[in-house]
Amino acid sequence: KNEVEQSPQNLTAQEGEFITINCSYSVGISALHWLQQHPGGGIVSLFMLSSGKKKHGRLIATINIQEKHSSLHITASHPRDSAVYICAVSRAAGNKLTFGGGTRVLVKP
Amino acid sequence: EPEVTQTPSHQVTQMGQEVILRCVPISNHLYFYWYRQILGQKVEFLVSFYNNEISEKSEIFDDQFSVERPDGSNFTLKIRSTKLEDSAMYFCASNRGSVYEQYFGPGTRLTVT
Repeated sequence: KNEVEQSPQNLTAQEGEFITINCSYSVGISALHWLQQHPGGGIVSLFMLSSGKKKHGRLIATINIQEKHSSLHITASHPRDSAVYICAVSRAAGNKLTFGGGTRVLVKP
Repeated sequence: EPEVTQTPSHQVTQMGQEVILRCVPISNHLYFYWYRQILGQKVEFLVSFYNNEISEKSEIFDDQFSVERPDGSNFTLKIRSTKLEDSAMYFCASNRGSVYEQYFGPGTRLTVT
């Protein structure tokens, strides 16, 4: 069983729509990370959170430690948001990231 | 803004050859990582490095792999005898510590023929 599961695997939205990506994990963690992978392959860190909620621009990330679940929301989606969004966790015992399989998001104009 | 850099961006090599992938982490960072992503698959952890030694490595990181920080700025990943299955995108990352986010380099695409 994968330690980090994401859903959906693929998502298509119309410009302006609200998007939610979900992440569930099965191990104890020190932090959960949301990352964005561009079509060219580069990976950018969006959020690192261990409790509650964080917001940056149109992106919101939430985490429920008790339920071992996190969501990434994109409000007023735009075609430039098209990318693969990856959930990853770091565990208390070390710094390495364990990655989910990613959610491919396509926002159509 | 400081960034992690990696060279080369693309390396093509023949099976059995040695390759060295190079990374320059952000200068005040203390923890360094290598990850890889086989085409169409998720990103996988290879190795972490702190205080001039390996702090953790995965099952993938066998005797064919080694890492080095030769001069205080570069962080290298060496594959001694490449196999076809080593073809992947290799990402270097660094951070200031376990409570900080990791910054990724742009990746090196390794193609083994």
